[in-house]
Amino acid sequence: EIVLTQSPGTLSLSPGNTATLTCRASQSDYSSSLAWYQQKPGQAPRLLIYGASSRATGIPDRFSGSGSGTDFTLTISRLEPEDFAVYYCQQYDSSPPRYTFGQGTKLEIK
Amino acid sequence: QVQLMESGGGVVQPGRSLRLSCAAPGFNNYALHWVRQAPGKGLEWVALISHDGVNKFYGDSVRGRFTISRDNSRHTLYLQMTSLRAEDTALYYCATNGREGSWYGKDFDHWGQGTLVTVSS
Repeated sequence: EIVLTQSPGTLSLSPGNTATLTCRASQSDYSSSLAWYQQKPGQAPRLLIYGASSRATGIPDRFSGSGSGTDFTLTISRLEPEDFAVYYCQQYDSSPPRYTFGQGTKLEIK
Repeated sequence: QVQLMESGGGVVQPGRSLRLSCAAPGFNNYALHWVRQAPGKGLEWVALISHDGVNKFYGDSVRGRFTISRDNSRHTLYLQMTSLRAEDTALYYCATNGREGSWYGKDFDHWGQGTLVTVSS
């Protein structure tokens, strides 16, 4: 079973700063499945990044994903007020199909 | 944008059953999933059903108690939950991947707004 560990648990930054969120997997992501989601209070999660580095439809280029194997990063440049939210990473395992989420990183306004 | 819309949540006693529905017009050719989120907690994948309803997979915490199904003639996804426990209390989302056709997909780019299930005596 894959375990995803996100760090930090909470990140306090100011608008205009750059946020760096990390996700470490207990097993290598052989299927290049690592995804990142943003969730705001009272809303469903929104897919930001899939395949570790591809931006989903409509996601601004301030959001970028990188990494491979077991270590992944979500970088948010030039933080906007609407970026303050909780972010989750997620990985897919194919045999049998199962989907694992990290515990989340809360990005809060400093 | 095509919507997913869940219904059927409510308050139920431990040990009882409940069936959730998700209206999924336009998604007959896509695998569908249930994902849940306990109050104030993170996301947990619950179950997956293939586009044709043949293949079904479950998370460890619900296997043997929950059953996923779909009726493509009604464009509806279901989750039959039995032997409910307090730890099943959560907001239940239906979700899918709209990029990968009939394959299961590696992530979720379409989500409903969720339906809340509270298991309490």
